[in-house]
Amino acid sequence: DSGVTQTPKHLITATGQRVTLRCSPRSGDLSVYWYQQSLDQGLQFLIQYYNGEERAKGNILERFSAQQFPDLHSELNLSSLELGDSALYFCASSVRPTNTEAFFGQGTRLTVV
Amino acid sequence: AQTVTQSQPEMSVQEAETVTLSCTYDTSESDYYLFWYKQPPSRQMILVIRQEAYKQQNATENRFSVNFQKAAKSFSLKISDSQLGDAAMYFCALTDKLIFGTGTRLQVFP
Repeated sequence: DSGVTQTPKHLITATGQRVTLRCSPRSGDLSVYWYQQSLDQGLQFLIQYYNGEERAKGNILERFSAQQFPDLHSELNLSSLELGDSALYFCASSVRPTNTEAFFGQGTRLTVV
Repeated sequence: AQTVTQSQPEMSVQEAETVTLSCTYDTSESDYYLFWYKQPPSRQMILVIRQEAYKQQNATENRFSVNFQKAAKSFSLKISDSQLGDAAMYFCALTDKLIFGTGTRLQVFP
């Protein structure tokens, strides 16, 4: 158990809908990362937060948004969902904003039908 | 911009043998860390080993060791005495932003 909690574990929704994925970092970790992993693909970096502020942004679609709350949990919002958004979404957390390892949650498997 | 390249989509090894997975990277940062993560069929991401760029000594963790060539921007992972449980996807990763390569699928044959 990495200590990073992601909910829900599985999510099935229809095209055009909006969903929210939640991540609770390890106790003491201030930084949260979000990644998308499509079937048999690598991990695409979406966005990183540190202590409530956006720190780095990757190839995140405009239909996607995220935030980190004062209690350090983070949410990833995906809207106007398309079939191609079906993927495993990972959250990871680290104690520092860079130059340290990150620990991953179990992921949320999103299926868009 | 940071990039991480893993040029071996698949590798295979016999149980008890040694295998080396390759990774090259590019970064303009002078201080950075490199990692190898393992993703077994469960899809959980597991940290295998880390290397701080400022350290000349190669990191080792039990049967796992790295060959870090800073000037060549190369960071390979050596798995010794391979076990069936080592079968997984292996990803190389680089800070500042924690970005990943495309992965190498390792098969282990009895």
